[in-house]
Amino acid sequence: NAGVTQTPKFRVLKTGQSMTLLCAQDMNHEYMYWYRQDPGMGLRLIHYSVGEGTTAKGEVPDGYNVSRLKKQNFLLGLESAAPSQTSVYFCASSPGPGTDTQYFGPGTRLTVL
Amino acid sequence: GENVEQHPSTLSVQEGDSAVIKCTYSDSASNYFPWYKQELGKRPQLIIDIRSNVGEKKDQRIAVTLNKTAKHFSLHITETQPEDSAVYFCAASDYKLSFGAGTTVTVRA
Repeated sequence: NAGVTQTPKFRVLKTGQSMTLLCAQDMNHEYMYWYRQDPGMGLRLIHYSVGEGTTAKGEVPDGYNVSRLKKQNFLLGLESAAPSQTSVYFCASSPGPGTDTQYFGPGTRLTVL
Repeated sequence: GENVEQHPSTLSVQEGDSAVIKCTYSDSASNYFPWYKQELGKRPQLIIDIRSNVGEKKDQRIAVTLNKTAKHFSLHITETQPEDSAVYFCAASDYKLSFGAGTTVTVRA
């Protein structure tokens, strides 16, 4: 049981490039989340999903897109990366809504030059 | 939306002393309050949580208190040890989590 995994662990992009971050969970959780973590700002919710085929905007959705085609996977896309998107990205999953424990992945450190 | 404020931003304590971190929240509908610990370079991990029908919860050296009327909750760590050094985040949720900015705790040997 791997829990929540993220791919890749590190990535460096140039401004304007695109990329997709993959999150996978093997706990059969309905809810999945993407956060970004910046120094002194805690974790901010980018997008989330309440089940396969659904997505919703979080606190800081601009510049990102997501898809949840399979229950176990949640993809975060950057279509045209900007230096302001340099951050550590964490995926999380939970069995139910916000009052259920969220389990985090190991994170992806993204640098945009 | 929910706004969570966390204080202090940094906390240095002598080994064996207690550490207290305080958070306030704005949305009275929030009813779940977890605390996460994050070691350097690692993922956040849940250490304790409390729900709105409970005023206090304890787990060994860690305790959390909740005052719904005042909309604040606190984390108490007693008998601190070097392995307690980490960043601690509070969060509040009605249907999705909002996090505080974090407290960097350093336990001095």
